[in-house]
Amino acid sequence: AAGVIQSPRHLIKEKRETATLKCYPIPRHDTVYWYQQGPGQDPQFLISFYEKMQSDKGSIPDRFSAQQFSDYHSELNMSSLELGDSALYFCASSPRDLNNEQFFGPGTRLTVL
Amino acid sequence: GQSLEQPSEVTAVEGAIVQINCTYQTSGFYGLSWYQQHDGGAPTFLSYNGLDGLEETGRFSSFLSRSDSYGYLLLQELQMKDSASYFCAVNSNYQLIWGAGTKLIIKP
Repeated sequence: AAGVIQSPRHLIKEKRETATLKCYPIPRHDTVYWYQQGPGQDPQFLISFYEKMQSDKGSIPDRFSAQQFSDYHSELNMSSLELGDSALYFCASSPRDLNNEQFFGPGTRLTVL
Repeated sequence: GQSLEQPSEVTAVEGAIVQINCTYQTSGFYGLSWYQQHDGGAPTFLSYNGLDGLEETGRFSSFLSRSDSYGYLLLQELQMKDSASYFCAVNSNYQLIWGAGTKLIIKP
């Protein structure tokens, strides 16, 4: 069965650089969620999209932005990177009318040096 | 505010039964979910309770009492591969509000 795809799997950036993370949801899933997870912490909800519109916003810094495209894939854009942005970034998807279960991608590990 | 409380760590022996409790206080509530996460891996869905009572899926069961704002995950016949972190999460207005996670350590 198809799963959520995230790219890249690993990313190393310098402080103040920008990064773009990509997420390809499971086919026919119209809702995408982004999470940030620091070491030993629970996933922190950043933002979600439904049918290409932002539906909910969590603890996403102003330096970050995201969008969902017509093919339902989503990108998380991160600018002016800080050391504290180093974390695992997960994308999850679900069908809107059955959103009890979120399907997570493998994550992108971002390291900011 | 919104909060979920679960133990930070639980230790059990292989073959035993363990229960991980979760209490919550959130402004919106549609149900309680449980996710498993191995070190370095992605969270994977285990169960969802939208109504009071027990849901059973193989060796795992989950319980919810909405009146007590309380739920638990029960793992039976523990196997070494069950060593992981377990998160309870409240489904609230199309968001998941996560607990801090319980690290389950299984000893042979």
